[in-house]
Amino acid sequence: SYELTQSPSVSVSPGQTASITCSGYKLGNKYTSWYQQKPGQSPLMIIYQDNKRPSGIPERFSGSSSGNTGTLTISGTQAMDEADYYCQTWDSSTVVFGGGTKLTVL
Amino acid sequence: QLQVQESGPGLVKPSETLSLTCTVSGDSISRSVYYWGWIRQPPGKGLEWIGSIYYSGSIYYNPSLKSRVTISVDTSKNQLSLKLSSVTAADTAVYYCARHNLGGTYYFDYWGQGTLVTVPS
Repeated sequence: SYELTQSPSVSVSPGQTASITCSGYKLGNKYTSWYQQKPGQSPLMIIYQDNKRPSGIPERFSGSSSGNTGTLTISGTQAMDEADYYCQTWDSSTVVFGGGTKLTVL
Repeated sequence: QLQVQESGPGLVKPSETLSLTCTVSGDSISRSVYYWGWIRQPPGKGLEWIGSIYYSGSIYYNPSLKSRVTISVDTSKNQLSLKLSSVTAADTAVYYCARHNLGGTYYFDYWGQGTLVTVPS
């Protein structure tokens, strides 16, 4: 079965750029979505179709995908961005989620 | 504004069947071009997709849960339901309902608040 791999944790200083990666076989040939989840809240879609932002999502969130890796980039990271982030794709008629990355803003 | 709300018992005994309902308001399931999905999250762990259904009855299931899962839709009530049989403590999780775009981009854009279901060990 298809798998998506994320690093368990990433740390970033306020104002710096955070990069969260998601690895999967030929992921660049599929569409990747990204979700932000804060404690006690439901997941919130922040990127879809690799690099598109839904209405209301700040421009500091961006996405890209190539080869076997999808990347979520947060530019000018703010304290409010501290959360868990999950990547997701569709393969062989199934939804696949990555294991999640905890972003800590130090 | 689209709203999604899960409901159901918060406690289910081992070996019994978990039953949840998702009520959609602000959009008609039968007019929608979207699928509707169930996702769960065990305490402190990641997201696991359970399955997704279209109002016409087309369904996709997570292969690892397929033998125990039934998802159905009631267009007259604008609801979908989830049944998970033979539950164990491993099925303890927050269960989410979400709108699922399967039109080529495959994302979940509207999520309910989730409902915690506990199966005691």
